[in-house]
Amino acid sequence: EVQLVESGGGLVQPGRPLRLSCTASGFTFGDYAMSWLRQAPGKGLEWVGFIRSRAYGGTTDYAASVKGRFTISRDDSKSIAYLQMNSLKTEDTAVYYCTRHHGPHIAVADYWGQGTLVTVSS
Amino acid sequence: EIVMTQSPATLSVSPGERATLSCRASQSVSSNLAWYQQKPGQAPRLLIYGASTWATGIPARFSGSGSGTEFTLTISSLQSEDFAVYYCQQYNNWPLTFGGGTKVEIK
Repeated sequence: EVQLVESGGGLVQPGRPLRLSCTASGFTFGDYAMSWLRQAPGKGLEWVGFIRSRAYGGTTDYAASVKGRFTISRDDSKSIAYLQMNSLKTEDTAVYYCTRHHGPHIAVADYWGQGTLVTVSS
Repeated sequence: EIVMTQSPATLSVSPGERATLSCRASQSVSSNLAWYQQKPGQAPRLLIYGASTWATGIPARFSGSGSGTEFTLTISSLQSEDFAVYYCQQYNNWPLTFGGGTKVEIK
């Protein structure tokens, strides 16, 4: 069974960093691109960024709203994806979801974690 | 950035009735369109990708159609568990973008 479990969320002050982790199981993690998405309270879905599999260079892409502040990385040996968030703003407050891409050229999220809430507030 | 527009924002439907949800893209996304369902307090679930291909385990009462800029998700006979918010998402161009959602509520 495919499982994605996020951790690391919580309350953080504006300007401070936070790192989220996504621990995967039930599939060959290294074969898949992984994405982070977020959902602000009562709002819709926003794609934060994704990281390709090693076979496709392990490169990343980010939404304009987070580019230069957020970094996605992966440790295939541990089946973990990370979202490093720096210079956090109040508008980054959201539930953050880790997701798996359906395929290398199919950037849809076929499995989701349960989400972890990040609250940016002083 | 491709803007995805969903309509209506809210759809009131009786159980057993048919529901038709629309999604429009600001430019062509070919057939690179997915639909998700989200229930309160839960993560979204992938329903359809490639505009019309069912994701694993999705019942046949859900169907998707369209290409280019106009897409439709049809739920042929609404069950109680289908009342939720539905989002479309294009994956033809980065950044990947979602529509604002359609809430399907009980009439």
